[in-house]
Amino acid sequence: DQQVKQNSPSLSVQEGRISILNCDYTNSMFDYFLWYKKYPAEGPTFLISISSIKDKNEDGRFTVFLNKSAKHLSLHIVPSQPGDSAVYFCAARAGGTSYGKLTFGQGTILTVHP
Amino acid sequence: DVKVTQSSRYLVKRTGEKVFLECVQDMDHENMFWYRQDPGLGLRLIYFSYDVKMKEKGDIPEGYSVSREKKERFSLILESASTNQTSMYLCASSLQGSTDTQYFGPGTRLTVL
Repeated sequence: DQQVKQNSPSLSVQEGRISILNCDYTNSMFDYFLWYKKYPAEGPTFLISISSIKDKNEDGRFTVFLNKSAKHLSLHIVPSQPGDSAVYFCAARAGGTSYGKLTFGQGTILTVHP
Repeated sequence: DVKVTQSSRYLVKRTGEKVFLECVQDMDHENMFWYRQDPGLGLRLIYFSYDVKMKEKGDIPEGYSVSREKKERFSLILESASTNQTSMYLCASSLQGSTDTQYFGPGTRLTVL
């Protein structure tokens, strides 16, 4: 039972354009959401997060949007750069969860072409 | 700078062998986690630990056990390796707050023949 789903296995974007990565979840108890980025041969690194009390969080070129009624979040990267090419994982934490346990999606491979 | 290290980047073992994967963090973090990453399945939590000698099962604990004798070290043990345990294994650590960021090691690519 996949509680966090990233339905697009891959996304290809031209440099300078916007990249939009999507994530859907089914568990209504999720109240904190994160995006991680993973390069080959490296561990995932934290990118940006959002609490369920907000609908938007911005950090430089990265913005995460949360639509609680639709149980959907998205990561926007503007403008996209070739160095953004990586696997992006969406993750979620349920309220009341001990110790920061996260549930991850399947990942989306982003390729940004020069 | 935060650092999580894993004992091996690549490991090849035979079916039935006992396998130890080691993870060390230098950030004095209370929480430590073991995940496996498989294509199309993302990261799945195997076990986690919130204190020395304390552990809790994650989503897929079958076939695995863990040990945390010291705060900085968290070991994943495959008692009798099987081919379906061929995977990328990732260790992570975080402070004890539930929204604290998890920091990941580089991963161990385990192949079981």
